[in-house]
Amino acid sequence: GAVVSQHPSRVICKSGTSVKIECRSLDFQATTMFWYRQFPKQSLMLMATSNEGSKATYEQGVEKDKFLINHASLTLSTLTVTSAHPEDSSFYICSARVAGEGYEQFFGPGTRLTVL
Amino acid sequence: RKEVEQDPGPFNVPEGATVAFNCTYSNSASQSFFWYRQDCRKEPKLLMSVYSSGNEDGRFTAQLNRASQYISLLIRDSKLSDSATYLCVVSPSGGSYIPTFGRGTSLIVHP
Repeated sequence: GAVVSQHPSRVICKSGTSVKIECRSLDFQATTMFWYRQFPKQSLMLMATSNEGSKATYEQGVEKDKFLINHASLTLSTLTVTSAHPEDSSFYICSARVAGEGYEQFFGPGTRLTVL
Repeated sequence: RKEVEQDPGPFNVPEGATVAFNCTYSNSASQSFFWYRQDCRKEPKLLMSVYSSGNEDGRFTAQLNRASQYISLLIRDSKLSDSATYLCVVSPSGGSYIPTFGRGTSLIVHP
């Protein structure tokens, strides 16, 4: 299947700092990428849909000014958690959709964010 | 009613057993269906797509029942390595594709 990378894999930061997470499609072009958050023992929660060259579409309850998404190219989307707080500590996962039959998603390995 | 519902389990089965999970969905316009596997503290990985005619891949069989709006996953001859959480994903097709994940079903295969 298609390969999606995510960087960093783990980050620990102090409260109030901003953290940028990169999501890259390595062997294909992704017009659409998704950002998810997953708390321990809970399901994946879609945060936003990122479309190349346009503004991201955020799910209800997700603050767009706190979670900045930029999809500047067909292979890169970034999520910046601004002014992070301990409650933002979570597992952040991106995925990219391969257009065509089936519309399967391929996930990055995730970023584990811990805010102290 | 939630859009996509799964029994969270856990399902505890011995090696070699056959186990089946169901996933119900509420949107009758759903067109794309998938099963993903997620190991602890890892990202989900695509296990198989679910086609209208069903889909079989080795020990895994997935089926779709549109009339009753559910998909199923059958695992035969369970292995210890099958222990994981199995997520079903449902979405409409086309440009408005927004996938909806189930909460996942936990499977534990023991010796």
